[in-house]
Amino acid sequence: DQQVKQNSPSLSVQEGRISILNCDYTNSMFDYFLWYKKYPAEGPTFLISISSIKDKNEDGRFTVFLNKSAKHLSLHIVPSQPGDSAVYFCAAANTGTASKLTFGTGTRLQVTL
Amino acid sequence: DSGVTQTPKHLITATGQRVTLRCSPRSGDLSVYWYQQSLDQGLQFLIHYYNGEERAKGNILERFSAQQFPDLHSELNLSSLELGDSALYFCASSVEGVYGYTFGSGTRLTVV
Repeated sequence: DQQVKQNSPSLSVQEGRISILNCDYTNSMFDYFLWYKKYPAEGPTFLISISSIKDKNEDGRFTVFLNKSAKHLSLHIVPSQPGDSAVYFCAAANTGTASKLTFGTGTRLQVTL
Repeated sequence: DSGVTQTPKHLITATGQRVTLRCSPRSGDLSVYWYQQSLDQGLQFLIHYYNGEERAKGNILERFSAQQFPDLHSELNLSSLELGDSALYFCASSVEGVYGYTFGSGTRLTVV
């Protein structure tokens, strides 16, 4: 049972444009959400997070939006840069009961020149 | 360097064998997590240790076991290996209550 879903395995965006990565979840008990970025031969790196009490969190070029009613979150990267090319994982946690993260399957972002 | 050290980086072994993967957490982190990433899959939670005690278990096979030692390093033991156990195994560490884990670079296990 995939509780966190990233339905787009890949995305290609031109440099300078906006990249939008999407994530859906099914478990209504999730109350904390994170995005990780992963380069080849490296471990995932924490990028940005959002608590369920918020609907938006911004950090530089990265903004995460949360729509609780739709159980949907998205990561916006503006402007996209070639160095952003990586696999992006969405993750969720139920902070009340467990410290583990449940990950999606990832979206491979390619930023082209 | 993330501060989380995993060894070895690569491991090739035969079916039926036993291997041990090692993880040294970032300095000051008491929590260690193990995750498995099979081909084109997300990271699957295996187990969480906090300061030497098991805190949570995921879909970890009975053939797999882990422990966290007094110096806080952790080992993941995989036995009676099968072809399907071939995967990337990641260790991550954090301080209590922080969900932005720091991951190691992983151990790539290939079972032949």
